[in-house]
Amino acid sequence: AQSVTQLGSHVSVSEGALVLLRCNYSSSVPPYLFWYVQYPNQGLQLLLKYTSAATLVKGINGFEAEFKKSETSFHLTKPSAHMSDAAEYFCAVRRPDSSASKIIFGSGTRLSIRP
Amino acid sequence: ETGVTQSPTHLIKTRGQQVTLRCSSQSGHNTVSWYQQALGQGPQFIFQYYREEENGRGNFPPRFSGLQFPNYSSELNVNALELDDSALYLCASSLRTGEETQYFGPGTRLLVL
Repeated sequence: AQSVTQLGSHVSVSEGALVLLRCNYSSSVPPYLFWYVQYPNQGLQLLLKYTSAATLVKGINGFEAEFKKSETSFHLTKPSAHMSDAAEYFCAVRRPDSSASKIIFGSGTRLSIRP
Repeated sequence: ETGVTQSPTHLIKTRGQQVTLRCSSQSGHNTVSWYQQALGQGPQFIFQYYREEENGRGNFPPRFSGLQFPNYSSELNVNALELDDSALYLCASSLRTGEETQYFGPGTRLLVL
């Protein structure tokens, strides 16, 4: 079975500061891992995905995540926060041999940016 | 190329009623999936349709049902609404069942009183 745990339901950083959103996963097989962003009143947008290639994955809007098997982690980072990054972020996992829709989401982390 | 659209954007129903939510998939996408996102939670998979057939289902009761039409648009029907059905319902489309990138619509927010 697969699951993800997002540490911290709310993270607040200053504009220009490092963004670090934590995600730990559990999977019985090598997983595919994803980060999605959800802006208010919008659907989910894929930020980046790990599908067993390079362990450091670069996504849109300057975000990146590193797959660390030894720590079962897939933390999301951005060197310098921008006001437009304020949103809800979801980490997700699925088996490589399963359909794209059978994806398990974490409970989300709300990112706030202080001026 | 149009994205995934959903209607209505908001809906209020009372317990015991029935509701139909609609989704138009992204152009060319033949697979549609539905998710329920309760307040403060991540989305949960309800079911997927591929070429008008249900092709996978999550842990939801039979009163949650769906349809996919020849143009790949889709409906989610919920019968005998319960208070706990209040949530944001998201539709996502993809090109084929194995495609790992889904494109999500903005959702329909359902409130059951």
